[in-house]
Amino acid sequence: DTGVSQDPRHKITKRGQNVTFRCDPISEHNRLYWYRQTLGQGPEFLTYFQNEAQLEKSRLLSDRFSAERPKGSFSTLEIQRTEQGDSAMYLCASTKGSYEQYFGPGTRLTVT
Amino acid sequence: GIQVEQSPPDLILQEGANSTLRCNFSDSVNNLQWFHQNPWGQLINLFYIPSGTKQNGRLSATTVATERYSLLYISSSQTTDSGVYFCAVSQGANNLFFGTGTRLTVIP
Repeated sequence: DTGVSQDPRHKITKRGQNVTFRCDPISEHNRLYWYRQTLGQGPEFLTYFQNEAQLEKSRLLSDRFSAERPKGSFSTLEIQRTEQGDSAMYLCASTKGSYEQYFGPGTRLTVT
Repeated sequence: GIQVEQSPPDLILQEGANSTLRCNFSDSVNNLQWFHQNPWGQLINLFYIPSGTKQNGRLSATTVATERYSLLYISSSQTTDSGVYFCAVSQGANNLFFGTGTRLTVIP
């Protein structure tokens, strides 16, 4: 089994630009989660998919954030009109059956 | 959400020493995971341990679900053990709630 993969690993963007991140879960994992981690903190939940259905969204997920999981495979997270406060590590995790979540390497976003 | 507290926040050890990290949580859970975050930010799964005791090499973990705490033991620490250790819990297949981590530094 290959692990969870995320692309890109690093992204530097100017304030006001849009960015999109991709997550490919472990094959056949039906649940996919997005988290955000800022410096010195533990990851915080953003949103969760079961297959292609987005089942839960955190209050952290403002209107500028949108996530999709077409066909229940990979997922994308888009941030529109980025702000400096969006600078963080964006982590994706997946699971199937058991509750144990497996994380990808993350996408580190820097907004200048 | 579920509150997760980890202690100590920082720990400095001499190589070869043993340590115990603690995780307290505020509600009943049926998922508890320990992670090691490497310098590049990746979360490495150490244990999936909603209850009971598990061992993996120099690492072991115990969760007492009825008393809402878990312990991670590291024996004969090595410099490669350095990094941040996170405890995370959830109820069912819902999202994980993380603590703020324990930053471990192992000195040669």
